[in-house]
Amino acid sequence: EAGVVQSPRYKIIEKKQPVAFWCNPISGHNTLYWYLQNLGQGPELLIRYENEEAVDDSQLPKDRFSAERLKGVDSTLKIQPAELGDSAVYLCASSLVKSGGAQDTQYFGPGTRLTVL
Amino acid sequence: QKEVEQDPGPLSVPEGAIVSLNCTYSNSAFQYFMWYRQYSRKGPELLMYTYSSGNKEDGRFTAQVDKSSKYISLFIRDSQPSDSATYLCAMSTNAGGTSYGKLTFGQGTILTVHP
Repeated sequence: EAGVVQSPRYKIIEKKQPVAFWCNPISGHNTLYWYLQNLGQGPELLIRYENEEAVDDSQLPKDRFSAERLKGVDSTLKIQPAELGDSAVYLCASSLVKSGGAQDTQYFGPGTRLTVL
Repeated sequence: QKEVEQDPGPLSVPEGAIVSLNCTYSNSAFQYFMWYRQYSRKGPELLMYTYSSGNKEDGRFTAQVDKSSKYISLFIRDSQPSDSATYLCAMSTNAGGTSYGKLTFGQGTILTVHP
């Protein structure tokens, strides 16, 4: 079974430029998460999708960050314009949340390491 | 103060040692407790998962949860060089709605097991 796929793995851009990250979750997983991981820190949730719906985007800085999950499968996270402080690893995770809300394991992709110069 | 506190280490032990990793938390609504392992330049992978208080054992790994003290631990017996990684504790509530499924992570402990 293929895991969570993310691309690109590494991205270097200059500040004020736009950047986009792509995630393809594990087949059949209805829930998709984007996390931000700063160096030496644990991941922090940016946004969570259940199918196509963003059900928790309270931590997403909406002035510059946007995300979409068209058709409820793969997802794109965009930053425009990027700032120096956005340098971090952006992780995507997916899980299968069953009816009744049974908790299930979140599987993480390898992440995209963003460097803003 | 962060909801989840984890000693970042780094922790360096000889092969075969028993390793103890710990997290404390402040949110009494946390009911699900997890330990993730993260190798360099990889995403976190789930190691152990426990619900509420108690112990859970899986091979060389034992997870303990003490909800009364808001304290969780991961023990690694007979540690191996391949165990060298960052270990992240994570927790979630079961409040439903927008909080459901949201993991709150500690900052991770860097572990090195040397031969």
